[in-house]
Amino acid sequence: EAGVAQSPRYKIIEKRQSVAFWCNPISGHATLYWYQQILGQGPKLLIQFQNNGVVDDSQLPKDRFSAERLKGVDSTLKIQPAKLEDSAVYLCASSGPGQSSYEQYFGPGTRLTVT
Amino acid sequence: SQQGEEDPQALSIQEGENATMNCSYKTSINNLQWYRQNSGRGLVHLILIRSNEREKHSGRLRVTLDTSKKSSSLLITASRAADTASYFCAPRTGGGNKLTFGTGTQLKVEL
Repeated sequence: EAGVAQSPRYKIIEKRQSVAFWCNPISGHATLYWYQQILGQGPKLLIQFQNNGVVDDSQLPKDRFSAERLKGVDSTLKIQPAKLEDSAVYLCASSGPGQSSYEQYFGPGTRLTVT
Repeated sequence: SQQGEEDPQALSIQEGENATMNCSYKTSINNLQWYRQNSGRGLVHLILIRSNEREKHSGRLRVTLDTSKKSSSLLITASRAADTASYFCAPRTGGGNKLTFGTGTQLKVEL
């Protein structure tokens, strides 16, 4: 089966600009996650969707970050305006139903550099 | 969810040796997962062990869980250069699938 797809793979922007990342989860996976991974740290969950509803966005900086999953399939994460500290890898993951929901499948990530 | 603390932070071994890394957590768990991250394959799920299990194997991986000590260990036997990666544990508490990762153990396997 195809894995989690993300684009772009790399993005360089200046501070105060906006940027958007796209994710397409594994077919049939109802749960989708966005993580932020700063260099030298583990991934930090930003937001979790179940179908097109938000389950957890407690660590999403809502003044500048937004995410949507309109049709319960692919998702977009946006940053507006970007700050230097937003430089990180943004990982998308998905998980399936039932017992298999514990295992998360990660995409390759988008490496964002804010200058 | 809660964050696991991996130990050591970094580990360097020779190919063919065994590598052991540990994870500690603070409160009771339902299960604990181990993930690996390298530049080639990204972040990948390795193994899940449930709170009522004490040991689990998958290929060259052996995971143990000691709920009385609130700790888990991951053993990689006969290591290979391809095992060079960061390893994260993710203890899961309560409902939901939220994972909280620590800073990981950076394993380097040298030829």
